[in-house]
Amino acid sequence: KAGVTQTPRYLIKTRGQQVTLSCSPISGHRSVSWYQQTPGQGLQFLFEYFSETQRNKGNFPGRFSGRQFSNSRSEMNVSTLELGDSALYLCASSLGGAGTVISPLHFGNGTRLTVT
Amino acid sequence: DAKTTQPPSMDCAEGRAANLPCNHSTISGNEYVYWYRQIHSQGPQYIIHGLKNNETNEMASLIITEDRKSSTLILPHATLRDTAVYYCIAGTSYGKLTFGQGTILTVHP
Repeated sequence: KAGVTQTPRYLIKTRGQQVTLSCSPISGHRSVSWYQQTPGQGLQFLFEYFSETQRNKGNFPGRFSGRQFSNSRSEMNVSTLELGDSALYLCASSLGGAGTVISPLHFGNGTRLTVT
Repeated sequence: DAKTTQPPSMDCAEGRAANLPCNHSTISGNEYVYWYRQIHSQGPQYIIHGLKNNETNEMASLIITEDRKSSTLILPHATLRDTAVYYCIAGTSYGKLTFGQGTILTVHP
């Protein structure tokens, strides 16, 4: 079974630009979550989508947005990039059912974004 | 999510058991304990999770105290490839986990 795939692996952007990152979840997984990882703040939750609806949101400004498609693939967008947005952006998928059973997250290897 | 406390670093000899502690004294009754690890330049890897009972899988064992205020992840026979940052998380929300700073485990020959 293929794992979580994130593209591109590396990106270099300039301040003020916008960027779109892509995530393909494991087949059959309906929940996709996004995380930002920086040396100073560690791993921080951005948002989570399930069945094309945002189900949870972290404490990030509105410049960070996402969406999920009917095939569960997800994209996140960052507009008006700032130097501080330089980070590893990680996507994770899970079964994410609406029941009480928690299914573990499976992470991709991330997109390394550098803002200059 | 409940706050977790882990030692910043630990060492282990190859072939020996690695016992990684985690304190989660404010955990609530419906919060699970999860363990993930992250090897440099890769995304976090799920290891194991549990609610009340001890759990074991092909990677590790999870021992949760009866009062659920702490837990221990056990890697029974550590190898050099187990060198990583290990995260203990207590939470419930789908997809939304609060990662702390974790424990840097170094396995040496």
